[in-house]
Amino acid sequence: EVQLLESGGGLVQPGGSLRLSCAASGFTFSKHAMTWVRQAPGKGLEWISGISGSAYNTYDAGSVKGRFIISRDNSKNTLYLQIDSLRADDTAVYYCARMEYELLSSVADWGQGTLVTVSS
Amino acid sequence: QLVLTQSPSVSASLGASVKLACTLNSGHSDYVIAWHQQQPEKGPRFLMKVNSDGSHTKGGGIPDRFSGSSSGAERYLIISSLQPEDEADYYCQTWGIGFHGVFGGGTKLTVL
Repeated sequence: EVQLLESGGGLVQPGGSLRLSCAASGFTFSKHAMTWVRQAPGKGLEWISGISGSAYNTYDAGSVKGRFIISRDNSKNTLYLQIDSLRADDTAVYYCARMEYELLSSVADWGQGTLVTVSS
Repeated sequence: QLVLTQSPSVSASLGASVKLACTLNSGHSDYVIAWHQQQPEKGPRFLMKVNSDGSHTKGGGIPDRFSGSSSGAERYLIISSLQPEDEADYYCQTWGIGFHGVFGGGTKLTVL
């Protein structure tokens, strides 16, 4: 069974930084691209960033380019999202998701999400 | 730039069928899309992929009541014999070189 467990969320001040983690199990981690998707309170899903199974390719939404950095450690079956210069509109639940194939493809499994709140 | 358009809300009666639409913008009518369900206060769940020819591939454990189809730039999610637990938000999603990943705005399904 695929399991994706996010952690690292919490309350952070504007301008601060966070690193989110997603521990994966139940599948061959390096064979699948991974992605981060966020959902602001009462809003829809927003695709943020993706990374290929080998980590060779990364894919970023223009809205977060330069502030959000996706990475992965295939030896630890873990996905990361480094978020810098946090703003109030970054407040959201951040979901980790597994893509179907090694490169960009359909989201096939979701984590339960971790809440990031940016407030002073 | 690829855009996915969904109706904000749809309602249907318990036991009836409903067809939710996701429209690909001009020039992208051959794209595969995925449907995801988000029940209240829960995380999303993958339902199925729908190809441009209407064929679809469902995720594990998705009931037979859920199916997909296509017509031109439209991709559909069809839910038959509506149950109370089908009341949820439904999102379509696609991916590709240049724009990477995109979601539709979501459709809120109310079961009456």
